[in-house]
Amino acid sequence: GENVEQHPSTLSVQEGDSAVIKCTYSDSASNYFPWYKQELGKGPQLIIDIRSNVGEKKDQRIAVTLNKTAKHFSLHITETQPEDSAVYFCAASITPNNNDMRFGAGTRLTVKP
Amino acid sequence: DVKVTQSSRYLVKRTGEKVFLECVQDMDHENMFWYRQDPGLGLRLIYFSYDVKMKEKGDIPEGYSVSREKKERFSLILESASTNQTSMYLCASRTALGRGGTEAFFGQGTRLTVV
Repeated sequence: GENVEQHPSTLSVQEGDSAVIKCTYSDSASNYFPWYKQELGKGPQLIIDIRSNVGEKKDQRIAVTLNKTAKHFSLHITETQPEDSAVYFCAASITPNNNDMRFGAGTRLTVKP
Repeated sequence: DVKVTQSSRYLVKRTGEKVFLECVQDMDHENMFWYRQDPGLGLRLIYFSYDVKMKEKGDIPEGYSVSREKKERFSLILESASTNQTSMYLCASRTALGRGGTEAFFGQGTRLTVV
């Protein structure tokens, strides 16, 4: 089955700096890669996703890149703000049946003002 | 506004008790999931359901069962709670393929402590 590894487990940055979180996956058939943000006391929420037919996707300060050859994908947050502090999870699945979605272990991001 | 609601935020149960965790979604989603969240392990899939009365085992189904009698409700059952089931439990729902979208919507979580 799919195995997703996520690094780092914790990340601390200064407000305004960039943050990068990296994930690798094992199943070359995986083709859907979402990123979820979990704030304290809440369930995870989708912030961005990418499918295997594109290499990069951007939404304001957030971008995701995908390297299918190397089987890794990354989340990039620019101009970080304190409200970006949260736990971030990457995931991978084989659509159309993404009932098989597998999550990484999570990264706790702290943005210091 | 989409909503997945878990019946309890916090639960404390005794070893050996039968525990029910309830989840309700108001988005008419076909697929519902139960995950367990533990530090350093991320989200692990316990069970999922793709239709009423249908269920599939995830990665860690041992010690758990589920029930889906109505489309909007998915229950996780701990037949005989044990201390190693102390964890955060997350319910999620998602529309089925063909109706667009693959985003999963999560509830706020239930933190279960078994003593």
